[in-house]
Amino acid sequence: NAGVMQNPRHLVRRRGQEARLRCSPMKGHSHVYWYRQLPEEGLKFMVYLQKENIIDESGMPKERFSAEFPKEGPSILRIQQVVRGDSAAYFCASSPYSRGDEQYFGPGTRLTVT
Amino acid sequence: QQQVKQSPQSLIVQKGGISIINCAYENTAFDYFPWYQQFPGKGPALLIAIRPDVSEKKEGRFTISFNKSAKQFSLHIMDSQPGDSATYFCAASINDYKLSFGAGTTVTVRA
Repeated sequence: NAGVMQNPRHLVRRRGQEARLRCSPMKGHSHVYWYRQLPEEGLKFMVYLQKENIIDESGMPKERFSAEFPKEGPSILRIQQVVRGDSAAYFCASSPYSRGDEQYFGPGTRLTVT
Repeated sequence: QQQVKQSPQSLIVQKGGISIINCAYENTAFDYFPWYQQFPGKGPALLIAIRPDVSEKKEGRFTISFNKSAKQFSLHIMDSQPGDSATYFCAASINDYKLSFGAGTTVTVRA
């Protein structure tokens, strides 16, 4: 039973480019969460999605960031016009329940903006 | 502002010793308190979790102690092993899905 898959594992982008991060939840999980981890800090909630729906995006920056979880395919976190402050590890988690009390995390995507 | 404060930032313990990590919170609406273990280059893995209707939960060598009146909870790792060397995060949530994480504690177990 494969765990949560994220790709790419490492992504380097120049300022102003777009970054696309992908997350495939565990089989049978229809709830996906994105978190961001800055160096020396804990994870910060960004967004909670179910298939084709954004449930809670209260942790998402208002500009440049968007997320989707289409009916088919992985969840995508998209960052437009990246800036150096976007450099971080982005983690995706999935759970089988809407309660979210069993969140299984992927290995993360480490984004570096040069 | 950080809703969950975690201490210490790092600790070193001898093999066989006890590692203790503390967390404090302000929001009394929190009702779910998990601990995660993270190894370098990996995602956090759920270790153990507690709800405020119990004061202690034990799973193997890991124990959560919960003090509702003090708004504090802690993780105890008994008989610490070198394989326990990792970063540990406490977290809390109101509706279970929006986890608020502490800043993390790096535990090093010396053989």
